[in-house]
Amino acid sequence: DQQVKQNSPSLSVQEGRISILNCDYTNSMFDYFLWYKKYPAEGPTFLISISSIKDKNEDGRFTVFLNKSAKHLSLHIVPSQPGDSAVYFCAATSSAGGGNKLTFGTGTQLKVEL
Amino acid sequence: ETGVTQTPRHLVMGMTNKKSLKCEQHLGHNAMYWYKQSAKKPLELMFVYNFKEQTENNSVPSRFSPECPNSSHLFLHLHTLQPEDSALYLCASSHPTNEKLFFGSGTQLSVL
Repeated sequence: DQQVKQNSPSLSVQEGRISILNCDYTNSMFDYFLWYKKYPAEGPTFLISISSIKDKNEDGRFTVFLNKSAKHLSLHIVPSQPGDSAVYFCAATSSAGGGNKLTFGTGTQLKVEL
Repeated sequence: ETGVTQTPRHLVMGMTNKKSLKCEQHLGHNAMYWYKQSAKKPLELMFVYNFKEQTENNSVPSRFSPECPNSSHLFLHLHTLQPEDSALYLCASSHPTNEKLFFGSGTQLSVL
Protein backbone atom coordinates (compact mmCIF):
# COMPACT_ATOMS: atom_id res chain seq x y z
CA ASP A 1 0.00 0.00 0.00
CA GLN A 2 1.64 3.22 -1.18
CA GLN A 3 1.53 5.87 1.51
CA VAL A 4 2.87 8.60 -0.78
CA LYS A 5 1.37 8.88 -4.24
CA GLN A 6 2.33 10.89 -7.27
CA ASN A 7 -0.43 10.14 -9.72
CA SER A 8 1.07 11.95 -12.70
CA PRO A 9 4.03 10.02 -14.09
CA SER A 10 4.87 12.87 -16.46
CA LEU A 11 4.24 16.56 -17.04
CA SER A 12 5.18 18.78 -19.97
CA VAL A 13 5.32 22.57 -19.60
CA GLN A 14 6.51 25.44 -21.77
CA GLU A 15 9.51 27.46 -20.70
CA GLY A 16 8.46 30.47 -18.62
CA ARG A 17 5.17 28.94 -17.52
CA ILE A 18 4.28 27.48 -14.14
CA SER A 19 4.91 23.81 -13.38
CA ILE A 20 2.67 22.25 -10.74
CA LEU A 21 3.58 18.82 -9.40
CA ASN A 22 1.19 17.09 -7.05
CA CYS A 23 1.54 14.58 -4.26
CA ASP A 24 -0.96 12.85 -1.97
CA TYR A 25 -0.31 10.95 1.23
CA THR A 26 -2.38 8.64 3.38
CA ASN A 27 -0.46 8.39 6.65
CA SER A 28 -1.70 11.04 9.07
CA MET A 29 1.47 10.58 11.16
CA PHE A 30 3.56 12.25 8.46
CA ASP A 31 4.57 15.71 9.64
CA TYR A 32 7.45 16.66 7.37
CA PHE A 33 7.52 16.65 3.61
CA LEU A 34 10.30 17.03 1.07
CA TRP A 35 10.78 17.31 -2.67
CA TYR A 36 13.80 15.83 -4.39
CA LYS A 37 14.92 16.31 -7.96
CA LYS A 38 16.73 13.62 -9.94
CA TYR A 39 18.63 13.95 -13.21
CA PRO A 40 19.52 10.83 -15.23
CA ALA A 41 22.59 8.98 -13.93
CA GLU A 42 22.61 11.06 -10.73
CA GLY A 43 21.19 10.53 -7.28
CA PRO A 44 18.21 12.54 -6.00
CA THR A 45 19.07 15.99 -4.66
CA PHE A 46 17.09 17.84 -2.02
CA LEU A 47 15.03 20.70 -3.38
CA ILE A 48 12.64 22.08 -0.75
CA SER A 49 10.76 20.92 2.33
CA ILE A 50 7.84 21.88 4.55
CA SER A 51 6.80 21.11 8.08
CA SER A 52 3.19 20.30 8.89
CA ILE A 53 2.97 23.45 11.04
CA LYS A 54 3.16 25.50 7.85
CA ASP A 55 1.05 25.58 4.73
CA LYS A 56 3.56 27.22 2.42
CA ASN A 57 7.32 27.40 1.99
CA GLU A 58 9.06 29.37 -0.71
CA ASP A 59 12.62 29.25 -2.00
CA GLY A 60 13.29 31.31 -5.08
CA ARG A 61 11.35 29.88 -8.02
CA PHE A 62 10.14 26.92 -5.94
CA THR A 63 7.13 26.96 -3.61
CA VAL A 64 5.64 24.01 -1.78
CA PHE A 65 2.04 24.13 -0.56
CA LEU A 66 0.63 21.78 2.06
CA ASN A 67 -3.07 21.06 2.58
CA LYS A 68 -3.22 18.87 5.68
CA SER A 69 -6.96 18.34 5.62
CA ALA A 70 -6.73 16.98 2.09
CA LYS A 71 -3.41 15.21 2.76
CA HIS A 72 -2.08 16.88 -0.36
CA LEU A 73 1.00 18.85 -1.24
CA SER A 74 2.15 20.50 -4.41
CA LEU A 75 5.35 21.94 -5.80
CA HIS A 76 5.12 25.07 -7.94
CA ILE A 77 7.99 26.12 -10.18
CA VAL A 78 7.73 29.63 -11.60
CA PRO A 79 9.02 30.39 -14.14
CA SER A 80 9.92 26.96 -15.45
CA GLN A 81 13.30 26.60 -17.14
CA PRO A 82 14.69 23.87 -19.41
CA GLY A 83 17.18 22.95 -16.67
CA ASP A 84 14.25 22.02 -14.46
CA SER A 85 13.58 18.99 -16.66
CA ALA A 86 14.07 16.06 -14.29
CA VAL A 87 12.19 13.53 -12.21
CA TYR A 88 10.68 15.04 -9.06
CA PHE A 89 10.07 12.85 -6.02
CA CYS A 90 7.80 13.71 -3.16
CA ALA A 91 8.81 12.26 0.22
CA ALA A 92 7.30 12.24 3.70
CA THR A 93 8.39 11.31 7.17
CA SER A 94 7.20 11.27 10.75
CA SER A 95 9.17 12.86 13.59
CA ALA A 96 7.72 10.16 15.84
CA GLY A 97 9.54 7.59 13.74
CA GLY A 98 12.89 9.33 14.05
CA GLY A 99 12.37 11.74 11.19
CA ASN A 100 15.02 10.31 8.92
CA LYS A 101 13.09 7.41 7.41
CA LEU A 102 11.65 8.86 4.25
CA THR A 103 8.75 7.35 2.32
CA PHE A 104 8.90 8.29 -1.34
CA GLY A 105 6.41 8.57 -4.17
CA THR A 106 7.07 7.08 -7.61
CA GLY A 107 8.13 10.40 -9.12
CA THR A 108 6.91 12.75 -11.85
CA GLN A 109 9.00 13.31 -14.96
CA LEU A 110 8.92 17.03 -15.75
CA LYS A 111 9.85 18.19 -19.22
CA VAL A 112 10.21 21.91 -19.80
CA GLU A 113 10.05 22.69 -23.49
CA LEU A 114 11.46 25.69 -25.29
CA GLU B 1 36.16 14.92 -2.82
CA THR B 2 32.85 15.96 -1.33
CA GLY B 3 29.37 14.45 -1.10
CA VAL B 4 28.35 10.81 -1.30
CA THR B 5 30.27 8.51 -3.63
CA GLN B 6 29.10 5.08 -4.71
CA THR B 7 31.06 2.39 -6.53
CA PRO B 8 30.68 0.70 -8.88
CA ARG B 9 28.26 2.74 -11.00
CA HIS B 10 27.16 -0.34 -12.90
CA LEU B 11 27.29 -4.01 -11.95
CA VAL B 12 26.23 -7.15 -13.79
CA MET B 13 26.30 -10.36 -11.81
CA GLY B 14 25.10 -13.91 -12.06
CA MET B 15 22.84 -15.46 -9.49
CA THR B 16 25.69 -17.44 -7.95
CA ASN B 17 28.12 -14.52 -7.68
CA LYS B 18 29.09 -12.59 -4.58
CA LYS B 19 29.69 -8.88 -4.96
CA SER B 20 29.75 -5.77 -2.79
CA LEU B 21 28.54 -2.22 -3.27
CA LYS B 22 30.51 0.54 -1.61
CA CYS B 23 29.42 3.94 -0.36
CA GLU B 24 31.55 6.70 1.13
CA GLN B 25 30.43 10.06 2.45
CA HIS B 26 32.56 13.14 3.08
CA LEU B 27 29.87 15.26 4.73
CA GLY B 28 30.57 14.50 8.38
CA HIS B 29 27.23 12.73 8.78
CA ASN B 30 26.56 9.95 11.26
CA ALA B 31 23.57 8.30 9.61
CA MET B 32 23.76 6.24 6.41
CA TYR B 33 21.09 4.50 4.37
CA TRP B 34 20.54 2.01 1.57
CA TYR B 35 17.58 2.58 -0.72
CA LYS B 36 16.42 0.46 -3.65
CA GLN B 37 14.69 1.87 -6.73
CA SER B 38 13.04 -0.61 -9.07
CA ALA B 39 11.47 0.44 -12.34
CA LYS B 40 8.13 2.23 -11.90
CA LYS B 41 8.33 1.88 -8.11
CA PRO B 42 9.10 4.35 -5.34
CA LEU B 43 12.45 4.41 -3.62
CA GLU B 44 12.29 1.75 -0.91
CA LEU B 45 14.23 2.09 2.31
CA MET B 46 16.33 -1.02 2.99
CA PHE B 47 18.64 -0.26 5.91
CA VAL B 48 19.48 2.59 8.27
CA TYR B 49 22.66 2.98 10.29
CA ASN B 50 23.03 5.58 13.03
CA PHE B 51 26.52 5.97 14.50
CA LYS B 52 27.55 2.65 12.87
CA GLU B 53 24.66 0.75 14.49
CA GLN B 54 21.91 -0.71 12.35
CA THR B 55 18.62 0.84 13.46
CA GLU B 56 16.37 -0.24 10.63
CA ASN B 57 16.05 -3.35 8.50
CA ASN B 58 12.99 -2.99 6.35
CA SER B 59 12.32 -6.73 5.99
CA VAL B 60 15.15 -7.11 3.51
CA PRO B 61 16.03 -10.68 2.41
CA SER B 62 19.21 -12.07 3.93
CA ARG B 63 20.89 -12.28 0.52
CA PHE B 64 21.50 -8.54 1.11
CA SER B 65 23.97 -8.00 3.94
CA PRO B 66 24.93 -4.46 4.98
CA GLU B 67 28.11 -3.47 6.78
CA CYS B 68 29.00 -0.12 8.32
CA PRO B 69 32.59 -0.17 9.63
CA ASN B 70 32.57 3.55 10.44
CA SER B 71 30.35 6.59 9.99
CA SER B 72 31.87 7.40 6.60
CA HIS B 73 31.60 4.02 4.90
CA LEU B 74 28.73 1.70 4.09
CA PHE B 75 28.76 -1.55 2.17
CA LEU B 76 26.06 -3.78 0.77
CA HIS B 77 27.21 -7.36 0.29
CA LEU B 78 25.27 -9.33 -2.29
CA HIS B 79 25.07 -13.10 -2.70
CA THR B 80 22.78 -15.52 -4.53
CA LEU B 81 20.64 -12.70 -5.86
CA GLN B 82 17.57 -13.16 -8.03
CA PRO B 83 16.80 -11.42 -11.36
CA GLU B 84 14.05 -9.43 -9.60
CA ASP B 85 16.78 -7.83 -7.46
CA SER B 86 17.91 -5.90 -10.52
CA ALA B 87 17.46 -2.24 -9.61
CA LEU B 88 19.21 1.03 -8.81
CA TYR B 89 20.73 0.89 -5.33
CA LEU B 90 21.17 4.28 -3.72
CA CYS B 91 23.21 5.18 -0.69
CA ALA B 92 22.42 8.28 1.34
CA SER B 93 23.70 10.03 4.45
CA SER B 94 22.41 12.63 6.89
CA HIS B 95 22.82 13.92 10.39
CA PRO B 96 21.00 11.48 12.70
CA THR B 97 17.21 12.08 12.82
CA ASN B 98 17.59 14.79 10.18
CA GLU B 99 15.11 14.51 7.35
CA LYS B 100 17.39 15.98 4.70
CA LEU B 101 19.22 13.09 3.05
CA PHE B 102 22.11 13.43 0.64
CA PHE B 103 22.21 10.72 -2.01
CA GLY B 104 24.96 9.17 -4.06
CA SER B 105 24.57 8.54 -7.80
CA GLY B 106 23.66 4.92 -7.24
CA THR B 107 24.76 1.53 -8.52
CA GLN B 108 22.69 0.14 -11.39
CA LEU B 109 22.60 -3.60 -10.70
CA SER B 110 21.61 -6.26 -13.22
CA VAL B 111 21.25 -9.85 -12.07
CA LEU B 112 21.34 -12.41 -14.87
